[in-house]
Amino acid sequence: AQTVTQSQPEMSVQEAETVTLSCTYDTSENNYYLFWYKQPPSRQMILVIRQEAYKQQNATENRFSVNFQKAAKSFSLKISDSQLGDTAMYFCAFMMLSGYALNFGKGTSLLVTP
Amino acid sequence: EPEVTQTPSHQVTQMGQEVILRCVPISNHLYFYWYRQILGQKVEFLVSFYNNEISEKSEIFDDQFSVERPDGSNFTLKIRSTKLEDSAMYFCASSEEGGSADTQYFGPGTRLTVL
Repeated sequence: AQTVTQSQPEMSVQEAETVTLSCTYDTSENNYYLFWYKQPPSRQMILVIRQEAYKQQNATENRFSVNFQKAAKSFSLKISDSQLGDTAMYFCAFMMLSGYALNFGKGTSLLVTP
Repeated sequence: EPEVTQTPSHQVTQMGQEVILRCVPISNHLYFYWYRQILGQKVEFLVSFYNNEISEKSEIFDDQFSVERPDGSNFTLKIRSTKLEDSAMYFCASSEEGGSADTQYFGPGTRLTVL
């Protein structure tokens, strides 16, 4: 079974600063996908970024980038130039290549302050 | 932008009662999912559904649960004989295609409270 661990329940960052959210996972699979989802207060969960395990290059989406360390089973999310709208719960998730189920971590609550 | 919708936003029921949670997936999506989040715990996968069949289910999804696509737009989760421990936020999701290559789009959730 796969497990996803987010060790930071809460974090805060000042506007325009950079913040990194941690995620580790445990799996015996070699090929899989990793995701970061964002859930703003009282809003839907939306996909922020996705990483295929077979790709060595770290995924980036505008101000969001990941540091994927396959050997260490680590998948951290870096948010650059933080904005007030980045305030949200952030969930790290794992999916097997042949699966349908997202396996989530407990989430990190990020607060961006002015 | 199309969104997944869920009704009701909050459902209160008595232990032992049956509840039906409703979801309207994005219209051109073919794969549908239910997840739940008990307060303070992880979001957990319950079931995925495609072509009127369950494609994958978790250990949580036992005989107490069932899913249905009763018409061309709705996707429902039925919980028979609810228990206190069924109190949770239930999220519906949909995707255009199935599997890890595709994005799952989530609804806002239904908070179920079992008294």
